[in-house]
Amino acid sequence: GQQVMQIPQYQHVQEGEDFTTYCNSSTTLSNIQWYKQRPGGHPVFLIQLVKSGEVKKQKRLTFQFGEAKKNSSLHITATQTTDVGTYFCAGRAAGNNRKLIWGLGTSLAVNP
Amino acid sequence: NAGVTQTPKFQVLKTGQSMTLQCAQDMNHEYMSWYRQDPGMGLRLIHYSVGAGITDQGEVPNGYNVSRSTTEDFPLRLLSAAPSQTSVYFCASSEGRGRLTGNTIYFGEGSWLTVV
Repeated sequence: GQQVMQIPQYQHVQEGEDFTTYCNSSTTLSNIQWYKQRPGGHPVFLIQLVKSGEVKKQKRLTFQFGEAKKNSSLHITATQTTDVGTYFCAGRAAGNNRKLIWGLGTSLAVNP
Repeated sequence: NAGVTQTPKFQVLKTGQSMTLQCAQDMNHEYMSWYRQDPGMGLRLIHYSVGAGITDQGEVPNGYNVSRSTTEDFPLRLLSAAPSQTSVYFCASSEGRGRLTGNTIYFGEGSWLTVV
């Protein structure tokens, strides 16, 4: 079936280091969304990417959508303790199905 | 500015008991859904609804029922609770499932359910 693989599952960084999480889909996506879930909290929408090769920035966060619309990444520059949480990608399948496929998430821990 | 409200936040059930998790949204969203979240399993879709009177199964529907009598409300019923249903449950809504715009999913704060 359709899958979105998200790696790594866990990442532990020192404050100030960079962090990247990757999502790879088995199928072409019409768009991909990213969510952040703080420990004990609920997922919160960060961004949606729609166009092939799209790059969007939110302060220290950079989001990319691959040219083939099958992969995406989230890069955080100079992590802070406020970045702690789990980051999920969710891809919308292209075509008639349009099923939303969630990655399993990357949990980020930041040492102060 | 409530967004998606779900209750209760915490609940302990005995095996075999039934209960209803309530969910309401005030954004006039067409699409509502229920997820469960378990360690290492990510978010798994239980049931969803594309509008009042319409519901459908997600990937893990067994043991759960839903109804959508109004646009605002989407309760999730556990028919006969089992320990395997111990989980965190999230209700979510979005403006429209099929449109590229308005696809942002808004989640409730979660319901922590323990079945003993």
